[in-house]
Amino acid sequence: DAKTTQPPSMDCAEGRAANLPCNHSTISGNEYVYWYRQIHSQGPQYIIHGLKNNETNEMASLIITEDRKSSTLILPHATLRDTAVYYCIVGGFQGAQKLVFGQGTRLTINP
Amino acid sequence: EPEVTQTPSHQVTQMGQEVILRCVPISNHLYFYWYRQILGQKVEFLVSFYNNEISEKSEIFDDQFSVERPDGSNFTLKIRSTKLEDSAMYFCASSEVTGLVDNEQFFGPGTRLTVL
Repeated sequence: DAKTTQPPSMDCAEGRAANLPCNHSTISGNEYVYWYRQIHSQGPQYIIHGLKNNETNEMASLIITEDRKSSTLILPHATLRDTAVYYCIVGGFQGAQKLVFGQGTRLTINP
Repeated sequence: EPEVTQTPSHQVTQMGQEVILRCVPISNHLYFYWYRQILGQKVEFLVSFYNNEISEKSEIFDDQFSVERPDGSNFTLKIRSTKLEDSAMYFCASSEVTGLVDNEQFFGPGTRLTVL
């Protein structure tokens, strides 16, 4: 399983964009980058995933570098409800693929 | 919006007792998973299940653990003889079978297991 490296914690002001970095230098050619988050002790929640192109959905944007060795999750207008632990995970795209969670980044949105 | 449900929300048991944690995955999903999270630690994969058999299991998932899909809707995790170190939050997840690029796993709210 490819490993990821994320900063342990970050702060962001409410209403500003939160940019969460992730390094995945050992990612293989067919592995995707997934982002999940966990609010308090709730079940993890899927945010977005991508292979090599930038992706955007109603929750966030994902920017993947051309060499695919790193990515950034962008929450464009962070709210207090976005306070959570954010996990960057790399893995396959089909079948029963386990998610390998690291420690993630604890994002705190400040009023 | 469809969601994964889990019961009970909190289970307290004595060491050595058997527990069964129950999950109802999203109805059209065919891949099922169990994860656990010991308090203060990261989420850990336990087992994945597809087509009525285990697809993959972790080192944690030893002979004390078993999974079953007893009917068309439930997915259960059984721990035969609980140990103190089994105390954790257990999350069930499910995902669709699709030929498209999509491995979004939907997680339930979890069952907090406390072994005394």
